[in-house]
Amino acid sequence: GAVVSQHPSWVICKSGTSVKIECRSLDFQATTMFWYRQFPKQSLMLMATSNEGSKATYEQGVEKDKFLINHASLTLSTLTVTSAHPEDSSFYICSARGDSRGNTQYFGPGTRLTVL
Amino acid sequence: AQSVTQPDIHITVSEGASLELRCNYSYGATPYLFWYVQSPGQGLQLLLKYFSGDTLVQGIKGFEAEFKRSQSSFNLRKPSVHWSDAAEYFCAVGAASGTYKYIFGTGTRLKVLA
Repeated sequence: GAVVSQHPSWVICKSGTSVKIECRSLDFQATTMFWYRQFPKQSLMLMATSNEGSKATYEQGVEKDKFLINHASLTLSTLTVTSAHPEDSSFYICSARGDSRGNTQYFGPGTRLTVL
Repeated sequence: AQSVTQPDIHITVSEGASLELRCNYSYGATPYLFWYVQSPGQGLQLLLKYFSGDTLVQGIKGFEAEFKRSQSSFNLRKPSVHWSDAAEYFCAVGAASGTYKYIFGTGTRLKVLA
């Protein structure tokens, strides 16, 4: 149990375009979802926290107008990178936690974004 | 300040040898502690977690960890490492409520020699 999926697993896009990444909890209701960014050989950097039906809370330094997060249901959250630029290229990972599963976050497999 | 320290950036062990990965934390409240493993290009898989009770917790893949409050540590151990254990290991501390955010350590990269 506690499976989280992400789609797509990788995406290549041109500079200036927008990219949407989906994060789904497949077998539990995700009250809270988290979006992380990971640079090569580094730890995870939390970008934002979202609760179902509420606006996301962004970490300091993360542009909320560039990284749009929507958590419209208890099983789906989306991250949209708007007007992507090469510096947005990174590995994006989501995680989800549910009230039935306490404080444990379950992670998706990640999405590799490359902006040309 | 709240923080998680993994002192070893890289560790190399021979297959079949024992393993201990260190994790120290600084946290104001009672910590919830986690160990995750990440294979290259993959997400994080939960190995084990500690919330309360027995301070020695068993996880998947033969891993265990011991919570030592006096030392603010939560070290991960495995008695006999397999080549497939080569990966990045992250220690994390989280809150019991509120934002439920984690603080991650910087990770330890494990290399296993055949």
